[in-house]
Amino acid sequence: DQQVKQNSPSLSVQEGRISILNCDYTNSMFDYFLWYKKYPAEGPTFLISISSIKDKNEDGRFTVFLNKSAKHLSLHIVPSQPGDSAVYFCAASYYGNKLVFGAGTILRVKS
Amino acid sequence: DAGVIQSPRHEVTEMGQEVTLRCKPISGHNSLFWYRQTMMRGLELLIYFNNNVPIDDSGMPEDRFSAKMPNASFSTLKIQPSEPRDSAVYFCASSFSTSLGGYTFGSGTRLTVV
Repeated sequence: DQQVKQNSPSLSVQEGRISILNCDYTNSMFDYFLWYKKYPAEGPTFLISISSIKDKNEDGRFTVFLNKSAKHLSLHIVPSQPGDSAVYFCAASYYGNKLVFGAGTILRVKS
Repeated sequence: DAGVIQSPRHEVTEMGQEVTLRCKPISGHNSLFWYRQTMMRGLELLIYFNNNVPIDDSGMPEDRFSAKMPNASFSTLKIQPSEPRDSAVYFCASSFSTSLGGYTFGSGTRLTVV
């Protein structure tokens, strides 16, 4: 039972354009959402997060949007850079409990 | 701080052999997590510890898998006997238990069972 779903295995974007990565969840108890980025041969690293009391959080080129009614969140990267090419994992937790991850989306930014 | 340290980085073993993966969490972190990454299922939580005590091992695939945390600075994940379907990258992560998801991951151990 996948509680966190990333339905796009991969995404290819031109440098300078916007990258939009999507994530859906099924557990309405989730109250905290995160995005992690992973380069080959490295562990995932924390990128950005959002609490369920907000609908948007921005950090430089990265913005996460949360739509609680649709149980959907997205990560926007603007402008996309070749160094953003990585695997992006969506994750969720409730009451500070364990993180549940999605399967990941491979982002390729072409120069 | 050296971060979360995992060893070995790569392990190739024959089916039926015992495999032990090791993890040193960040000093001061009191929660430790073992995840497995596969193409099909992404990052799956296998087990996590809080203050060295196993809290949730519902993700451990079967009895062939076991994990221990004898002290705050060391944990092991053991597979005995190993099978080809266990081939994956295994990650260890640590955090403060009160942290809202701020896990720090190690670089992982790539396990290949032939």
